[in-house]
Amino acid sequence: EVVMTQSPATLSVSPGERATLSCRASQSVGSNLAWYQQKPGQAPRLLIYGASTRATGIPARFSGSGSGAEFTLTVSSLQSEDSAVYYCQQYNTWTPWTFGQGTKVEIK
Amino acid sequence: QVQLQESGPGLVKPSQTLSLTCTVSGDSISSGGYYWSWIRQHPGKGLEWIGYIYHRGSTYSGSTDYNPSLKSRVTMSVDTSKNQFSLQLTSVSAADTAIYYCARDAGYRLLYGYFQHWGQGTLVTVSS
Repeated sequence: EVVMTQSPATLSVSPGERATLSCRASQSVGSNLAWYQQKPGQAPRLLIYGASTRATGIPARFSGSGSGAEFTLTVSSLQSEDSAVYYCQQYNTWTPWTFGQGTKVEIK
Repeated sequence: QVQLQESGPGLVKPSQTLSLTCTVSGDSISSGGYYWSWIRQHPGKGLEWIGYIYHRGSTYSGSTDYNPSLKSRVTMSVDTSKNQFSLQLTSVSAADTAIYYCARDAGYRLLYGYFQHWGQGTLVTVSS
């Protein structure tokens, strides 16, 4: 199984600043990487798929990059509503699809 | 707009079987358009894909695939008359305490492996 490792565990960013989240796969997953946002008490929300394509309705301040085994999610200008836990997920292998352990983004 | 809603007991005793149902509205499972998954989240932890089921038509039995870590204990099925799909997890222990989500794969008649639509989740606690 492909192990996904996210860093940092917690990120504290001021409003309007940039947030950069990292995700590393234990083997290459090509561009088969998705990012989700999860707020307390809610289901995950798909942000990015194909490593860099924004899902429907996702603001342009969210962007994804990377390929192979190293990926980044960037929030260009953090808003208060972006406070959440962010998960990466690989879907390159047939199954099982696997998720990272999450990065919690806090607003300073 | 598709909506998914999980239902089932919130408390299950150790060694018993956990049974959950996901009711789908705004889409027909039997149309064969999408793959349907169960995903769980241990309290305060990350996400774990449990498995998926695909079903088309009234007579096709459908296909499933399960996470190898749970495969020996998992069964998924579809009730086309109620537009529901279900999860059964046998021989549960405290390690199965989690929020269980049902979700729809993003691919239309293709298995993409990521999830656009999710239910709100249901907490299942395994305790005597």
